[in-house]
Amino acid sequence: EAQVTQNPRYLITVTGKKLTVTCSQNMNHEYMSWYRQDPGLGLRQIYYSMNVEVTDKGDVPEGYKVSRKEKRNFPLILESPSPNQTSLYFCASSSAGTSGRIPYEQYFGPGTRLTVT
Amino acid sequence: GENVEQHPSTLSVQEGDSAVIKCTYSDSASNYFPWYKQELGKGPQLIIDIRSNVGEKKDQRIAVTLNKTAKHFSLHITETQPEDSAVYFCAASRWDSNYQLIWGAGTKLIIKP
Repeated sequence: EAQVTQNPRYLITVTGKKLTVTCSQNMNHEYMSWYRQDPGLGLRQIYYSMNVEVTDKGDVPEGYKVSRKEKRNFPLILESPSPNQTSLYFCASSSAGTSGRIPYEQYFGPGTRLTVT
Repeated sequence: GENVEQHPSTLSVQEGDSAVIKCTYSDSASNYFPWYKQELGKGPQLIIDIRSNVGEKKDQRIAVTLNKTAKHFSLHITETQPEDSAVYFCAASRWDSNYQLIWGAGTKLIIKP
């Protein structure tokens, strides 16, 4: 089954304790992205990756890191989480094509609800 | 940069009636406008999209219209059913930004039995 998986689905942690949220897709997609969803703000992009070893900042990258060492995986790293990073996080993937000039459907994971106390 | 405004934030309609959600965008160069549906506890899923060279697109009970002059686009759902209850997001993008999506804030659609 074609899917995007995220782990963990729920996480409660304390300020300053490093954490990683994993994301994996089995559709051989070039493009992967991380979003956070907050009430009234919709989806805001944190980081995205057009392909292996190619990552770029989205709209709200502060406090986050990513890496794309393999095509299927795109982990989100919070080196020192703070309470304002409490949110619902989504990973997404899509085909990007070689020129990025064709829009493709984004496939989303089920989400990770993070609480930082 | 692009900004997308979505209205209303909550919409409650009687089952069987129609629902309309509207979005406006600021960047006249935007040329791709998808709509995503997010059911409770799940990630968003694409339900319909439209490109700037088309004024309207239909898929069974859902349709999207685009007015490039006014820079707004709308989602229309006819004969609403309980399974239409969800949060709907509009987005806008342009080809020269690798189609990075700029999202609206979302509309919670409630279908009353």
